Amino acid sequence: GENVEQHPSTLSVQEGDSAVIKCTYSDSASNYFPWYKQELGKRPQLIIDIRSNVGEKKDQRIAVTLNKTAKHFSLHITETQPEDSAVYFCAAIFYSGGYQKVTFGTGTKLQVIP
Amino acid sequence: DGGITQSPKYLFRKEGQNVTLSCEQNLNHDAMYWYRQDPGQGLRLIYYSQIVNDFQKGDIAEGYSVSREKKESFPLTVTSAQKNPTAFYLCASSIGQGVPYEQYFGPGTRLTVT
Repeated sequence: GENVEQHPSTLSVQEGDSAVIKCTYSDSASNYFPWYKQELGKRPQLIIDIRSNVGEKKDQRIAVTLNKTAKHFSLHITETQPEDSAVYFCAAIFYSGGYQKVTFGTGTKLQVIP
Repeated sequence: DGGITQSPKYLFRKEGQNVTLSCEQNLNHDAMYWYRQDPGQGLRLIYYSQIVNDFQKGDIAEGYSVSREKKESFPLTVTSAQKNPTAFYLCASSIGQGVPYEQYFGPGTRLTVT
């Protein structure tokens, strides 16, 4: 089955600096890669996603890049703010046999220091 | 925060008792999922369902059971056979129509078994 590795597990940055979180996946069938943000005690919420026919996608301070050949994708947050502090999860998804197969990474706890 | 709801928010049970967690969605989504999240851990898939009256085991199904009698509802029963049931349980739904789409998460139920 699919395996998703996410690094680093924790990340501390100064406010205003950039943060980068990386994920690698194993199954080339995966073709959809969402990123979720989970604040303490809350539900995960989608912040950005990318499909396999696209190499990069941006939304204001957030961007995601995908390298299909190397099977890795990354989340980039620029000009970090204290409210960016949360746990971030990546996921790799594909459709097989009528079912959506979802595999999550283990999460990255981001701390933005004011 | 509408669309997918879980109840109750907090649940306390004695060891040896079965307990059922509710999950309801009004998004007209076909696919529904149950995840377990332990402190500092990622999301582990318990069960998923693509259509009514059909469901599949995820990575950690032992000690859990589900039903999908209605499109809107996907209750999870934590049985006494589950050895470490104390955790945060998240339900999610997705469009699920042949192309991967994001998952929408409910607010979660925190189960404590003593």
